[in-house]
Amino acid sequence: GAGVSQSPSNKVTEKGKDVELRCDPISGHTALYWYRQSLGQGLEFLIYFQGNSAPDKSGLPSDRFSAERTGGSVSTLTIQRTQQEDSAVYLCASSHGSRGYEQYFGPGTRLTVT
Amino acid sequence: KNQVEQSPQSLIILEGKNCTLQCNYTVSPFSNLRWYKQDTGRGPVSLTIMTFSENTKSNGRYTATLDADTKQSSLHITASQLSDSASYICVVSSTNDYKLSFGAGTTVTVRA
Repeated sequence: GAGVSQSPSNKVTEKGKDVELRCDPISGHTALYWYRQSLGQGLEFLIYFQGNSAPDKSGLPSDRFSAERTGGSVSTLTIQRTQQEDSAVYLCASSHGSRGYEQYFGPGTRLTVT
Repeated sequence: KNQVEQSPQSLIILEGKNCTLQCNYTVSPFSNLRWYKQDTGRGPVSLTIMTFSENTKSNGRYTATLDADTKQSSLHITASQLSDSASYICVVSSTNDYKLSFGAGTTVTVRA
């Protein structure tokens, strides 16, 4: 079946602009995660959605970052007033249940802020 | 702070040879440890998962070991193939909140 998809695959933006990254999880998966992968560093947790529960936003690095998950499916990660240090690969993952279940990752969106 | 350290950072091996990647962690209390393979431009894909009571687990030519006492894991690749060229990421989960702690990965390059 279809895996996790993300769009766009690549995004180049100017410093100060806002960007939106999209994630389509695997159908039926109730949990959705966003991670940031910077060069030479491990994946950094950003935010976690589980069903209708309030999301765990503890990993968001600043108030310029926000995410929504509409209808329990598609999610959008928004970065406002982008900075050069926001340049990274943003990965989305989904899983059947809550934390502890196998996470399936999308291909990521490579964001470059110039 | 829960940490996962991987070594080496990168390695180059000839096709057909074996290699071993290392992972040390400080995550506590421990739930499980996964090894992921990440091809360039792709998301990570799970290779193995081990819980506290498991010492070794294989997936084809990939064999993972776990020593929960010393908090060390290894991933052994046997008879490497060109398609094994990728980043291998060690990921540890805590029973506290099941948040995942990721290593920075080992980049493996297999050359013909």
